[in-house]
Order: sequence, then C-alpha cells, then structure tokens
Amino acid sequence: NAGVTQTPKFQVLKTGQSMTLQCAQDMNHNSMYWYRQDPGMGLRLIYYSASEGTTDKGEVPNGYNVSRLNKREFSLRLESAAPSQTSVYFCASSETGQLTEAFFGQGTRLTVV
Amino acid sequence: QKEVEQDPGPLSVPEGAIVSLNCTYSNSAFQYFMWYRQYSRKGPELLMYTYSSGNKEDGRFTAQVDKSSKYISLFIRDSQPSDSATYLCAMTTDSWGKLQFGAGTQVVVTP
Repeated sequence: NAGVTQTPKFQVLKTGQSMTLQCAQDMNHNSMYWYRQDPGMGLRLIYYSASEGTTDKGEVPNGYNVSRLNKREFSLRLESAAPSQTSVYFCASSETGQLTEAFFGQGTRLTVV
Repeated sequence: QKEVEQDPGPLSVPEGAIVSLNCTYSNSAFQYFMWYRQYSRKGPELLMYTYSSGNKEDGRFTAQVDKSSKYISLFIRDSQPSDSATYLCAMTTDSWGKLQFGAGTQVVVTP
C-alpha cells in the first residue's frame, strides 16, 4: 500500500533550469495538493486540484505550474528555478467532501544553486 | 500576520512528562482542526482531528479546541522518546482539505 509517492526524493538544480516533480496516489482520492515547507514557515499551499481536470492557486503559486494528468497523478513544474525555490516539497491527497485528512508523500528536497 | 501562529520551540521534556502544545489563529471561519506529527525527513501524518469546539482523547493524546479564544491545544501524556518529532497544527474552513498550517513545534523527549 504505497499511499502518496513522490519522485525524485532529492534534486539539485542550477538557477534557470527547469524540472518537474511527480506525485501519484493510489487511494482513489479526488483532491491533490502541493505544499512547500521552509524553516519557520510551516507548510504553505502552492497549488491544489479539487478534482480531476481542475487546478487552483494556493498561497504561493508564483514560479510554479501544475498539471493534473489524471485522477492519480499531479505534477509540479518549475520553469526557471530560482534560489528562493530551495525548499522541501510535499504532495498530498484527500477525499473531497469528507474527513479533511490529507495523506502526505515523503517529500522532495530541492536545492537551487 | 500569519493566520495560524505556533511557537517553533524546541520544547525539551524528560520522559514521562506531559507535553503541552498550542496554536492560535485569527480566522473565525476555521471549523476543522488537526494535529500532524512529522518525524525528521518524513512527511506529516495525521495524529488527531476535531470539529468545532471541545475535547477529543485518543490514548495518550488529547486535543482541545476553544473557538471563542481561537486557541487549540494538544497534550501528550506519559511522553516517550519516540514522541520526539515536530508537531504541526492545521485547520480549514471546510471539508475540502485545503489546510492552513502552523509553523510546527519541535519536541524533544529525553530518556
């Protein structure tokens, strides 16, 4: 039972490079989320997808794009990475309209140099 | 000002002590309140949730919500070294799971 799987686990990018963070869940959840976690800031919502085919901006969307590829997969893309995007990124999923329990992946540690 | 305030700690307690954690919030529309536990280099995992005001107990853990004061608490009784982790409060206005998190409090339980 994998839950929420994120790839890669670690990544180092140079400023200006692009990359896509992948997330997949096997719990048949409708909603998926991308958060970033920085020291002293807690988790901040970047983008979310309430259901397949929809995406909405969260608290800190600038510099990111997302794609809800299907019900299982939700990817986060950095088009031109900046040092300010150095963070730990978490993907999460939850069952919309029910208990607000979000299941989190293990995180992707991204460093932009 | 952040919507959810949480002291980052660290909070160090001896094994067997009661750990007391709390968060304050400013948005009176929050209705669902959660506590997540996050071990080092892991994703957060749900510990407890409560809806509206009141207390909820689960084993050694008790969560309290005081909506009139916009204040939530988590108590851990008989703390163990395995309770050493960062505890994050989270809350939301609806059941869609779009959570607003506190910064997290690091707890260290020493043997």
